[in-house]
Amino acid sequence: GAVVSQHPSWVICKSGTSVKIECRSLDFQATTMFWYRQFPKQSLMLMATSNEGSKATYEQGVEKDKFLINHASLTLSTLTVTSAHPEDSSFYICSAGQGTGTDTQYFGPGTRLTVL
Amino acid sequence: GESVGLHLPTLSVQEGDNSIINCAYSNSASDYFIWYKQESGKGPQFIIDIRSNMDKRQGQRVTVLLNKTVKHLSLQIAATQPGDSAVYFCAGVIGGYNKLIFGAGTRLAVHP
Repeated sequence: GAVVSQHPSWVICKSGTSVKIECRSLDFQATTMFWYRQFPKQSLMLMATSNEGSKATYEQGVEKDKFLINHASLTLSTLTVTSAHPEDSSFYICSAGQGTGTDTQYFGPGTRLTVL
Repeated sequence: GESVGLHLPTLSVQEGDNSIINCAYSNSASDYFIWYKQESGKGPQFIIDIRSNMDKRQGQRVTVLLNKTVKHLSLQIAATQPGDSAVYFCAGVIGGYNKLIFGAGTRLAVHP
């Protein structure tokens, strides 16, 4: 149980285009989902926290107009990288929580974004 | 602010030996810590957690030790196996914010 999926697993796009990444909780309802970014050989950096039905809370330094997050249902959150540039190339990982406790955060397999 | 960091970026061990991965944190308000294993190209995988009211917790072949006095925690892996090769992250949680703050990561390389 407690499986989180991401789609796509990898994507290559041209500079200036937008890319949408989906995060789904397959067998549980996720009231909260988190989006992380990980550059090569670095740690995970939290980008934003999204709660179902409300606006996402972005971490300091993360552009909310650049990284659009939608959490329209209890099983789906999407991250859209708008007008992507090569510096946006990274590994994007989501996690999903069942409640207020962080001991119930389950991570997705990640999405590798390469912007040419 | 909160930060969680690791002492060593890489650790090489022989198969069968015990591994110890260390982590330091700066915010004494953290009340919960988690160790994750991340294999190349995959998301983090939960290993073991510990709350601040504990100083030791054991799992299958893994033990986490927490020393709140010096703000340090460690992950011990017994009888390390090739399948344990990965990057290991510690993460701290600030109570009430429900956010994970990840450390830099330690790459564990297990040699036959």
